Amino acid sequence: EPEVTQTPSHQVTQMGQEVILRCVPISNHLYFYWYRQILGQKVEFLVSFYNNEISEKSEIFDDQFSVERPDGSNFTLKIRSTKLEDSAMYFCASTGDSNYGYTFGSGTRLTVV
Amino acid sequence: AQSVTQLDSQVPVFEEAPVELRCNYSSSVSVYLFWYVQYPNQGLQLLLKYLSGSTLVKGINGFEAEFNKSQTSFHLRKPSVHISDTAEYFCAVSKSTGGGNKLTFGTGTQLKVEL
Repeated sequence: EPEVTQTPSHQVTQMGQEVILRCVPISNHLYFYWYRQILGQKVEFLVSFYNNEISEKSEIFDDQFSVERPDGSNFTLKIRSTKLEDSAMYFCASTGDSNYGYTFGSGTRLTVV
Repeated sequence: AQSVTQLDSQVPVFEEAPVELRCNYSSSVSVYLFWYVQYPNQGLQLLLKYLSGSTLVKGINGFEAEFNKSQTSFHLRKPSVHISDTAEYFCAVSKSTGGGNKLTFGTGTQLKVEL
């Protein structure tokens, strides 16, 4: 069964540093997403991406965040200057042309120290 | 906008007992409904989803959920739980029209199955 792959599984970074979280969505999917889960809290939507542009973003997704699909396979989330409160599990997801075929990656745990 | 309420943050239950995890949603448009399970230190696994048709939806691991439009609920049930069902369960909703709609999650219910 096709999978969404996320790397790395765990990243530790110093406050103020830039991080890039990487995702390889399912190849024939059209919509790509990033979600965040702070430890012990609910999963929150960050951003959706379609046709090489952001289609929707939440209030969490401020100027410190950006997304990119640099080639035909990767989908990245960049945090320019990390803060302690960015520590969370970040999930990538993708869907095809339906609104129900979500596939989630296994997540990247980001720890900002 | 859509929202999801999971009133129970924790549900303890003995093994082989039945369990119901409650989920209520709010939306001004038609929606799809989902239940996801998250085992410790793992990602999100889809248990089941309601798209249309029969209001009783069966999923993996013996779970089922019933969509009740009048009560805007989508409660998850299992007739007999196992220790391995101990996990966090998230109810989620998305708009059913248009494309690429985000999922909105509830705050989760921690199911703890005890011997």
